[in-house]
Amino acid sequence: LAKTTQPISMDSYEGQEVNITCSHNNIATNDYITWYQQFPSQGPRFIIQGYKTKVTNEVASLFIPADRKSSTLSLPRVSLSDTAVYYCLVGSYSGGGADGLTFGKGTHLIIQP
Amino acid sequence: SAVISQKPSRDICQRGTSLTIQCQVDSQVTMMFWYRQQPGQSLTLIATANQGSEATYESGFVIDKFPISRPNLTFSTLTVSNMSPEDSSIYLCSVDAGQGNTEAFFGQGTRLTVV
Repeated sequence: LAKTTQPISMDSYEGQEVNITCSHNNIATNDYITWYQQFPSQGPRFIIQGYKTKVTNEVASLFIPADRKSSTLSLPRVSLSDTAVYYCLVGSYSGGGADGLTFGKGTHLIIQP
Repeated sequence: SAVISQKPSRDICQRGTSLTIQCQVDSQVTMMFWYRQQPGQSLTLIATANQGSEATYESGFVIDKFPISRPNLTFSTLTVSNMSPEDSSIYLCSVDAGQGNTEAFFGQGTRLTVV
């Protein structure tokens, strides 16, 4: 599994756009890039997944350059409730689903008023 | 999607005792996963449990310490045996979203404190 590197922590303010970048230099051809969000005292929650270019859903956007060696999670107009730990995961998965996930250290995002 | 219920949500246990954590899913799933999250740390996969077969453990985790049952497609248990304070962690159950889908769903976790 490709190793990921993220900033340990980030600070921002309500209403701002937040971009969290993840490096995964050893990403394999079959690997997907997935982001999870974890609030205190809760299990991680899937945010978004992509393979290349750009993916957008109702929560976030994921930007993946052509070489796929990094990715950027973009959270538009954050609020205090977006304060959480964000994990970037890279891996290929069997047809039956995930083979268990390898979590890195994650990015602790703190949103201030 | 899948809804996962874990019991207990938290417990305080004496060292040397064992605790069994239950994980119930609202749909049938092939694979269930157990993770540990030590205080302030990320998640670490303990084992993968398939129904009808022995669980597969990750490096550093052994069956004698963390026996797992998977009696059917909606239920699993993880036992933390002969506990020590170092076992104080959050234990999470997870399932995948099924064929062709790589999203994983997690329970709320069981916060274990060993004294």
